[in-house]
Amino acid sequence: AQTVTQSQPEMSVQEAETVTLSCTYDTSESDYYLFWYKQPPSRQMILVIRQEAYKQQNATENRFSVNFQKAAKSFSLKISDSQLGDAAMYFCAYRGTSGAGSYQLTFGKGTKLSVIP
Amino acid sequence: NAGVTQTPKFRVLKTGQSMTLLCAQDMNHEYMYWYRQDPGMGLRLIHYSVGEGTTAKGEVPDGYNVSRLKKQNFLLGLESAAPSQTSVYFCASSYLSIGELFFGEGSRLTVL
Repeated sequence: AQTVTQSQPEMSVQEAETVTLSCTYDTSESDYYLFWYKQPPSRQMILVIRQEAYKQQNATENRFSVNFQKAAKSFSLKISDSQLGDAAMYFCAYRGTSGAGSYQLTFGKGTKLSVIP
Repeated sequence: NAGVTQTPKFRVLKTGQSMTLLCAQDMNHEYMYWYRQDPGMGLRLIHYSVGEGTTAKGEVPDGYNVSRLKKQNFLLGLESAAPSQTSVYFCASSYLSIGELFFGEGSRLTVL
């Protein structure tokens, strides 16, 4: 079974600075999808960014970008120009493309990000 | 745009009571899921469905049952609630087997 590891339970960043959240995963598949979800105090799960493994180019969404290292099975999230509204729990997630693994998302345990004014 | 709607949002049960959580989606998605979220554990898959009339077990299915009688609805049942089932429950849906999940707002269940 695939596993997703987020090694930083908590992180903090100064407002307007840049922070990077780490994620590693374990899989034997060559094609898969990776996601970062944000969960603010409202509890709503919000998709931040997605990456297809077959694409070498790193995904970018405004201030959010990823560093996808397929060989190292690493998928980090960089938040630039951090804002107070970025304070949330961030979850890394994996979805396979074959068998039962293609039907479900496997999540890491999350990183709680605090933004310091 | 309703998206994914869960009811109820909050519920308190006594040990041994039963209840059903209802999830409804209006996006015509084939795939639906129930996750539970516990502190320090992330989200863990309870059961999922890949289409009307189908269900399958996830990572932590024990103590739960599900049904998908209609494409837009996915029900999660607890027949005899236990304190270990105190959690926040999320329903989600997706259109494709390779797409992202769309989540409901979560349901907080407390079992005393």
